[in-house]
Amino acid sequence: EPEVTQTPSHQVTQMGQEVILRCVPISNHLYFYWYRQILGQKVEFLVSFYNNEISEKSEIFDDQFSVERPDGSNFTLKIRSTKLEDSAMYFCASSPRQGRNQPQHFGDGTRLSIL
Amino acid sequence: KNQVEQSPQSLIILEGKNCTLQCNYTVSPFSNLRWYKQDTGRGPVSLTIMTFSENTKSNGRYTATLDADTKQSSLHITASQLSDSASYICVVSDSGAGSYQLTFGKGTKLSVIP
Repeated sequence: EPEVTQTPSHQVTQMGQEVILRCVPISNHLYFYWYRQILGQKVEFLVSFYNNEISEKSEIFDDQFSVERPDGSNFTLKIRSTKLEDSAMYFCASSPRQGRNQPQHFGDGTRLSIL
Repeated sequence: KNQVEQSPQSLIILEGKNCTLQCNYTVSPFSNLRWYKQDTGRGPVSLTIMTFSENTKSNGRYTATLDADTKQSSLHITASQLSDSASYICVVSDSGAGSYQLTFGKGTKLSVIP
């Protein structure tokens, strides 16, 4: 069964450094999402992306964050200048079609640790 | 503000037993409610999606119910197996114009023991 894949599985970065998290969504999917989960807390929506532009973003997704689909397969989340509070699990998800009732398929996440 | 509350926070049951997990939400306007299973260290996996007009949906040993009037949902697991040990997350989607945001609950951590 097709899967969403995320790399790396664990990223350790010094505070203030830039980090790029990578995702390969399921190949025929058109809608892409990033979520984060701080340890012990609930999953939180960051951003949705369709047709090469951001569809929607939460208040967490400030100017330090950006997303890109640099080619036909990768979907990336960049954090420009990381803070300690950016430490979390970051999940990428994709869905095949438009519509609020479409299932979202999640990757296994990248654990980001900021030192 | 949209909120999803789940109970209990954690639950321990014996293998083979049934259990029911609860979810209350205040998301408005409501679009759909989803239950996800999240194994430790893995991403969430969809179990069911229910819209306003559906009040029950099954996926194998998992049966979800939805009462849109009281804004409550439950997930019933029958004949539990050790592999059911995971967090079960209730997720609600609103139907605001152009909105595809999902609001997650904190999950119920289920442990199935032999």
